[in-house]
Amino acid sequence: DAGITQSPRYKITETGRQVTLMCHQTWSHSYMFWYRQDLGHGLRLIYYSAAADITDKGEVPDGYVVSRSKTENFPLTLESATRSQTSVYFCASSTFDTNTEAFFGQGTRLTVV
Amino acid sequence: GQNIDQPTEMTATEGAIVQINCTYQTSGFNGLFWYQQHAGEAPTFLSYNVLDGLEEKGRFSSFLSRSKGYSYLLLKELQMKDSASYLCAVRASGGSYIPTFGRGTSLIVHP
Repeated sequence: DAGITQSPRYKITETGRQVTLMCHQTWSHSYMFWYRQDLGHGLRLIYYSAAADITDKGEVPDGYVVSRSKTENFPLTLESATRSQTSVYFCASSTFDTNTEAFFGQGTRLTVV
Repeated sequence: GQNIDQPTEMTATEGAIVQINCTYQTSGFNGLFWYQQHAGEAPTFLSYNVLDGLEEKGRFSSFLSRSKGYSYLLLKELQMKDSASYLCAVRASGGSYIPTFGRGTSLIVHP
């Protein structure tokens, strides 16, 4: 399917476990992003990537790890999940052009118990 | 750093006009985006402004004043389906092209 897809859509995990959220886009966009969305905070950038093998921290990177070995994939790993990481996670992608918008995946609702 | 402010919540009547404001303070400026997000869904793009003035797209218009650090989204002929959150995002100049989002404005349209 064309577009940007996230998996899983819903995930419940226990404190201390490692969990990986997947993101795949079919447009060959250069930029990919991970945001978390929480009530009262809006969308906050966790990590972003300008191209394969290039990643950088956003506003709230602690506790998260990313990789981008292929242009189309940008997985986000929570190394040891904490309750404060309960959130809705959105992956997005965009081209390198400054006037183009970001396209968002459908989101992953993660609950850490 | 960047600071983006929007009202938390607004209510309006079906068929009316509503204006959602966004003020920002950034280190340089390279464009402002508006997104719409329905509950439980992903944000979707509405508009982009990089020069001063009004951009019109059907029932939605977006205005920008760079000197005032101010934008608004104008929704005309409101429909019930316009009930959603509206997110303002600003892209700073220099370096990366990453937009920073405000906290969003929840718009409730009632009959």
